[in-house]
Amino acid sequence: LAKTTQPISMDSYEGQEVNITCSHNNIATNDYITWYQQFPSQGPRFIIQGYKTKVKNEVASLFIPADRKSSTLSLPRVSLSDTAVYYCLVYTDKLIFGTGTRLQVFP
Amino acid sequence: GAVVSQHPSWVICKSGTSVKIECRSLDFQATTMFWYRQFPKQSLMLMATSNEGSKATYEQGVEKDKFLINHASLTLSTLTVTSAHPEDSSFYICSASERSYEQYFGPGTRLTVT
Repeated sequence: LAKTTQPISMDSYEGQEVNITCSHNNIATNDYITWYQQFPSQGPRFIIQGYKTKVKNEVASLFIPADRKSSTLSLPRVSLSDTAVYYCLVYTDKLIFGTGTRLQVFP
Repeated sequence: GAVVSQHPSWVICKSGTSVKIECRSLDFQATTMFWYRQFPKQSLMLMATSNEGSKATYEQGVEKDKFLINHASLTLSTLTVTSAHPEDSSFYICSASERSYEQYFGPGTRLTVT
């Protein structure tokens, strides 16, 4: 059974860089890796998407190694409002959300 | 950006009744819509995938006769939970896709069955 795993939780302080890794051993050859942010009782919100190497946008960077069996979401300078659960989403033999990482940012 | 709405945002129903949840893509045509279920402190689990005008494809373990999905147009999909029971209480989230690698999520619907 394909699994997409993430650390359960991470703590950080405002202004620090946070890196969250997702392991997806069975990712489909042609599929993208997408990361979402979710606040309680809300739908996931798109953060960033990539296929390989490095992708960057105004809020995050995404690092994908050559074998694509993992990916790392990098949030450059977190603030209190970044406290949320972060999920990766990949397609293996079906669409699978990662187990989710609960990020807590402290002042 | 693309906007997806869901209605209602929350609903309470009695055991044995049916509940319908609507998912709409507001500013784009969704060739594919997805329905997810999320239990407290857990990840999202894909329930089914539907393409406009065709029958939904259900994930293993999801009862298609209990969770009826209709994707009648390119902007509307509905999920009907039939004969709901307390164990169906959950957060139901839809997403809509115009291209295969992009999904836009709705705000979710909290269902409580008493």
